[in-house]
Amino acid sequence: GQNIDQPTEMTATEGAIVQINCTYQTSGFNGLFWYQQHAGEAPTFLSYNVLDGLEEKGRFSSFLSRSKGYSYLLLKELQMKDSASYLCAVREGTALIFGKGTTLSVSS
Amino acid sequence: DTAVSQTPKYLVTQMGNDKSIKCEQNLGHDTMYWYKQDSKKFLKIMFSYNNKELIINETVPNRFSPKSPDKAHLNLHINSLELGDSAVYFCASSFRDDPLGANVLTFGAGSRLTVL
Repeated sequence: GQNIDQPTEMTATEGAIVQINCTYQTSGFNGLFWYQQHAGEAPTFLSYNVLDGLEEKGRFSSFLSRSKGYSYLLLKELQMKDSASYLCAVREGTALIFGKGTTLSVSS
Repeated sequence: DTAVSQTPKYLVTQMGNDKSIKCEQNLGHDTMYWYKQDSKKFLKIMFSYNNKELIINETVPNRFSPKSPDKAHLNLHINSLELGDSAVYFCASSFRDDPLGANVLTFGAGSRLTVL
């Protein structure tokens, strides 16, 4: 089975940088995903890591260390629209197993 | 051109009733899923179908019965609804074997079920 942990809530201000951590324990590993979910909406794909290292995509970057069972999502130049839940997920077979999500609140 | 569409978006019903939620995807994916998101926002997988065949069946009461008439459709029927079934149900789809390895899931907008 999988155990995926991430902080429940985080707060930050506009223009700042925030790092959302995720640790996981898994019997198998086929990749780690980050999804963004705004209130009342569907989760949308942000990033995918299967090898160790940093993947950068605009203001968002995601890091993976497979030996440590650790990932983080880095959000730069925060905007109000970044207020959302951020879901860490590990692929097991064909399914994604999600953590409980981190609710990020961005204030001005 | 909605990629993954679910109906209905909202469903309010009494305990003991039977209801269905329908899902269709036009992305050409071969794998579809049902996830349940509870009031604490925890997104938990329920079922997965690949080319109409059940491949994942998590510990879900047998009151929940998925049906996949073809690889573009996955419906969810729930019998004898209980208060604890109140949640948002998300349908999703993906390729089972993505050449890029990512197998990104695309989610529908969700169906909010409220059982009174």
